[in-house]
Amino acid sequence: NAGVTQTPKFRILKIGQSMTLQCTQDMNHNYMYWYRQDPGMGLKLIYYSVGAGITDKGEVPNGYNVSRSTTEDFPLRLELAAPSQTSVYFCASIDRGQGRSPLHFGNGTRLTVT
Amino acid sequence: GENVEQHPSTLSVQEGDSAVIKCTYSDSASNYFPWYKQELGKRPQLIIDIRSNVGEKKDQRIAVTLNKTAKHFSLHITETQPEDSAVYFCAASRNGQNFVFGPGTRLSVLP
Repeated sequence: NAGVTQTPKFRILKIGQSMTLQCTQDMNHNYMYWYRQDPGMGLKLIYYSVGAGITDKGEVPNGYNVSRSTTEDFPLRLELAAPSQTSVYFCASIDRGQGRSPLHFGNGTRLTVT
Repeated sequence: GENVEQHPSTLSVQEGDSAVIKCTYSDSASNYFPWYKQELGKRPQLIIDIRSNVGEKKDQRIAVTLNKTAKHFSLHITETQPEDSAVYFCAASRNGQNFVFGPGTRLSVLP
């Protein structure tokens, strides 16, 4: 299993541009999450999904959108990039059928908005 | 909602000494508490976790203790080594759903 795969690894955007951060997992996990990590800070939840077709806002959803059309994929969309969205973005997944089990993280996408 | 605090924010220890990181949580319904280690430029990796029906769990040099009454849990690393240097995050979760993370502790193990 590849686990949780994120692309791209790095991206520089200009203010006002848009992009999609890709996330896919091959573990058949039902729950998926997007976190952002600002320099020297902890992880803040942006959006999460408990299954295909279901998404919910987390702590910091403004400026982002998500979709979950399949169990495997959970892309994060930035429509109008702002400097405040400069961060490292982590996708994660969990198999809730296993009860209380840990998050599996992807390797992250480092985004700079200038 | 849940709020997780973590102390200290930075910690320096001599190689071979012990390190202790403490976290407190606010939601008494939280029942799962994982700890993650994040090396520079890498993703967070689980190092140990504890469920609310257990007071202590140990895995070689790493242990976690949980006090449900006081709503705090701690990470203990004994015989620290240079490769233990990293940022450590605690987290709290209700039934393994949404996880709330602490702000992190930067641990430096000095040779």
